[in-house]
Amino acid sequence: AQTVTQSQPEMSVQEAETVTLSCTYDTSESDYYLFWYKQPPSRQMILVIRQEAYKQQNATENRFSVNFQKAAKSFSLKISDSQLGDAAMYFCAYSPRFVGNQFYFGTGTSLTVIP
Amino acid sequence: EPEVTQTPSHQVTQMGQEVILRCVPISNHLYFYWYRQILGQKVEFLVSFYNNEISEKSEIFDDQFSVERPDGSNFTLKIRSTKLEDSAMYFCASSGGQGNPSGANVLTFGAGSRLTVL
Repeated sequence: AQTVTQSQPEMSVQEAETVTLSCTYDTSESDYYLFWYKQPPSRQMILVIRQEAYKQQNATENRFSVNFQKAAKSFSLKISDSQLGDAAMYFCAYSPRFVGNQFYFGTGTSLTVIP
Repeated sequence: EPEVTQTPSHQVTQMGQEVILRCVPISNHLYFYWYRQILGQKVEFLVSFYNNEISEKSEIFDDQFSVERPDGSNFTLKIRSTKLEDSAMYFCASSGGQGNPSGANVLTFGAGSRLTVL
């Protein structure tokens, strides 16, 4: 079974500081993709960052980076220099590469940015 | 940038009524999805659609739900007889750009349709 676990329902960070959101997943597949999606108060789901499992290098997108530990099945998101606009719900997601193009989501982490 | 569009943004309906939520996926995508999010809860998979048929569906997607791609561009979710517990945000998504391998496994969401059942 494919499951995605986010153990932190809520997190907070001071503006301009760094925060790390945790995600673990369970799969028997060797080739897959991992994602972080952001859901601001507007409720639209926005892709933040994507990691391909066959790439060892951690993905980065400006202030957002991941720590991908394939053996540990861990995929954390680091937000540097946090901004007020980063306040949102963050969902970790997993998609096996060659199996039905399906996506599995975690339960989300609500991030508060304190001015 | 291409986007997934959904209508209506908000619909209020009486229990027992039929509702149709509409979506226009990104034009060269091959896979289409409906997800549901009850307020404050996680994003739940309903159904995926590929090559003009349902490829996978969840336990939530029972006989009162159906999907259709009537004209090659729209992708609709019909709820035949709405219940109070169907009140939620419904997200359409698409993935799988033709000729763009990097787009095959990226899910692009619409802004959602909020359904309120009274």
